[in-house]
Amino acid sequence: GAVVSQHPSRVICKSGTSVKIECRSLDFQATTMFWYRQFPKKSLMLMATSNEGSKATYEQGVEKDKFLINHASLTLSTLTVTSAHPEDSSFYICSAREAGAVYGYTFGSGTRLTVV
Amino acid sequence: GDSVTQMEGPVTLSEEAFLTINCTYTATGYPSLFWYVQYPGEGLQLLLKATKADDKGSNKGFEATYRKETTSFHLEKGSVQVSDSAVYFCALAENDMRFGAGTRLTVKP
Repeated sequence: GAVVSQHPSRVICKSGTSVKIECRSLDFQATTMFWYRQFPKKSLMLMATSNEGSKATYEQGVEKDKFLINHASLTLSTLTVTSAHPEDSSFYICSAREAGAVYGYTFGSGTRLTVV
Repeated sequence: GDSVTQMEGPVTLSEEAFLTINCTYTATGYPSLFWYVQYPGEGLQLLLKATKADDKGSNKGFEATYRKETTSFHLEKGSVQVSDSAVYFCALAENDMRFGAGTRLTVKP
């Protein structure tokens, strides 16, 4: 079945630094990728939708300059948290959708980001 | 916009009890509906899905029926086990996927 690999699974960084999270579709081409954020004991909130080769579409309230999303190829999307602060600490999850698979969403295993 | 309303819980049941987690949705079109499960510290696992009205999704003893007339997709299981303890998310998808608040289920021996 479709597999999405997300790395790193855990990362600790210092305030003010940037962190990059990768999301790769291993056995299919993902024309669309989604990035979610999950606060402790809360639901997943959609942050942005990215289509390969296009600029990401951000949800209302999400700072596009803080959360940089790049979807340069059909198998890779990256989320960079710039100038991270402790309030950016969260669980980030990506999801990939294959071209033509309207109902097929495959999730990565998530990245636990802790900013100290 | 599209949204999902889910019974938040937490829900605590004894082993072999009957489980129902309510989920209703609001959508402008004809979404697909999903149930995902999340174990502590892990990502999401697809539990079941239904892509059109009256479809029934089922997996591992769990079932949910897409009810367009009541805009619902309630999750049920006839006899829960301790290993079913997790957080369950209802979700809908049209152009993107939106999640309910999640329901934490604890099953006690």
